[in-house]
Amino acid sequence: EVHLVESGGGLVQPGGSLRLSCAASGFTFSNYFMSWVRQAPGKGLDWVSLITNSAVTTYYADSVKGRFTISRDDSKSTLYLQMNSLRADDTAVYYCAPYSSTSGFGYWGQGTPVTVSS
Amino acid sequence: DIQMTQSPSSLSASVGDRVTITCRASQGIKNDLGWYQQKPGKAPKRLIYAASSLQDGVPSRFGGSESGTEFTLTISSLQPEDFATYYCLQYNSYPLTFGGGTKVEIK
Repeated sequence: EVHLVESGGGLVQPGGSLRLSCAASGFTFSNYFMSWVRQAPGKGLDWVSLITNSAVTTYYADSVKGRFTISRDDSKSTLYLQMNSLRADDTAVYYCAPYSSTSGFGYWGQGTPVTVSS
Repeated sequence: DIQMTQSPSSLSASVGDRVTITCRASQGIKNDLGWYQQKPGKAPKRLIYAASSLQDGVPSRFGGSESGTEFTLTISSLQPEDFATYYCLQYNSYPLTFGGGTKVEIK
């Protein structure tokens, strides 16, 4: 059974940093592209970033480019999102999900909430 | 970037009603589209992938179709557990983009 557990969220001041983690199990993590998707309170889903298998390539939404960095540790089956220069509009629940180019996101974690506020 | 225009943003319907939700892509995306259901406080759940393929375990009252750049999610007979928000997702090209969502409420 696929299991995804996000952690690392919390309250941070504007301009601060956080590192999110996503521990994956139940599938061969190293074979999959992995992604982060967020959802601001009361808003829709917003794709954030994606990393290919073997970390060959990374992709970012324009809204986070230059501030967020996605990475992975295949030996630990863990996905990361380093978030710097955080802004109030980064406040959201952050989900991780394995990605398939033929079917999109089939599984999701429970999400970790990030609040950017002074 | 590909824009996904989803309509309506909300609708009210009764149990047993047929419900249709539409997403229009700003350019061709082949059939690289999925539909997701989300209930309050929960993660999204995939219903449909590749525009019309039903996810394992999803009831057959859910169906997807496509016509050019217009994609449709149909619920043939709305059930109480179907009241939720629905999103489309295009995964044809980066950045991946979601539709704005459709909230299905009880009439």
